[in-house]
Amino acid sequence: AQSVTQLDSQVPVFEEAPVELRCNYSSSVSVYLFWYVQYPNQGLQLLLKYLSGSTLVKGINGFEAEFNKSQTSFHLRKPSVHISDTAEYFCAVSDLSSGYALNFGKGTSLLVTP
Amino acid sequence: DVKVTQSSRYLVKRTGEKVFLECVQDMDHENMFWYRQDPGLGLRLIYFSYDVKMKEKGDIPEGYSVSREKKERFSLILESASTNQTSMYLCASKGVRQGLSSPLHFGNGTRLTVT
Repeated sequence: AQSVTQLDSQVPVFEEAPVELRCNYSSSVSVYLFWYVQYPNQGLQLLLKYLSGSTLVKGINGFEAEFNKSQTSFHLRKPSVHISDTAEYFCAVSDLSSGYALNFGKGTSLLVTP
Repeated sequence: DVKVTQSSRYLVKRTGEKVFLECVQDMDHENMFWYRQDPGLGLRLIYFSYDVKMKEKGDIPEGYSVSREKKERFSLILESASTNQTSMYLCASKGVRQGLSSPLHFGNGTRLTVT
């Protein structure tokens, strides 16, 4: 089964600083990758997805991610974070072995402070 | 916009009780899913369903069952709740037109406490 590894469980960062949240996935012939965000006491919301084509994917709220096939990575970045970006971020991969389900990483908690 | 509604935000149940968690989606999606979310473990798939009356086990089905009598509704059942089932439960749905590339749409979750 496809799997993802989020390399940092917590990332503290100051407001207006850049941030990178790291995600690596297990290799496959073809793969679809997603980043979700979860604000406190809410469900998961799609930030962006990589299906094919350009390796740089832009999402909502100023986030972007770069697909790197050779390094099997899909890191999430934002050039300048806001307090409101404080949330849990999940990387996920489509898994053919479980039908249309997504396999999720364990999450990265982004804490933005003034 | 897709709307996935979970009937309860918070539930408190006693050990041994039978618990029903309900989920409804309004986009005529074929696929529906139940995940549980625990700190440090991320989201783990409990069960999923391809269609009405169809169900498949996910990674952690033990202690759970599901029901899908109508396309829009997917219920998670804890036959005899135990304290280790205290968790956040997330329901999701997905259309099949884009196959594996289609994202999941999530409800807001049900936080279940078993005492």
